[in-house]
Amino acid sequence: DVKVTQSSRYLVKRTGEKVFLECVQDMDHENMFWYRQDPGLGLRLIYFSYDVKMKEKGDIPEGYSVSREKKERFSLILESASTNQTSMYLCASTGLAGGGEQFFGPGTRLTVL
Amino acid sequence: SQQGEEDPQALSIQEGENATMNCSYKTSINNLQWYRQNSGRGLVHLILIRSNEREKHSGRLRVTLDTSKKSSSLLITASRAADTASYFCATGSASNYQLIWGAGTKLIIKP
Repeated sequence: DVKVTQSSRYLVKRTGEKVFLECVQDMDHENMFWYRQDPGLGLRLIYFSYDVKMKEKGDIPEGYSVSREKKERFSLILESASTNQTSMYLCASTGLAGGGEQFFGPGTRLTVL
Repeated sequence: SQQGEEDPQALSIQEGENATMNCSYKTSINNLQWYRQNSGRGLVHLILIRSNEREKHSGRLRVTLDTSKKSSSLLITASRAADTASYFCATGSASNYQLIWGAGTKLIIKP
């Protein structure tokens, strides 16, 4: 069974803290994605990676960075968390180019106080 | 950037009825996909329809695609309480890795 896991289901952090969200997939997929989901806004792409050490900005990269040192792991970093980064964060992966099916992790609900 | 727009934003029906959700998009696509999200969870892929297909079935799901109108519909027949979820459409293109997402339809099935 294919699997995408995320390091935490719920996370509470304080303003200004550095936050790491980790995502691991066991499907040997090349492409991995980080989204944030807010009510009424659907999924917005933060960053994606199409290979190890490769990354591309999505629609809302400001305030975030990413790291992909190994194929199976894609990390999202909030350098200095702010309250407007309180959101649901979803990681996904796909082995297909051309906008194929994406496999999602369970999500991390991050609250920044 | 959001391309897909789902309609309606929310839908509440009785168990056993059929549920229809619509999705419109703006640019040319390679495929259109539908996903389900149960409350507070990740998304699960339901069905993918390619741009050269007009209709596709999977169990109680029926998806249609009209590329001339840039729209798709998802029909869930004989709805069940377990179908209560948010449903998202997403479009894929041949030229990049990304999917473009709609804002979703929240479906509530009343017992």
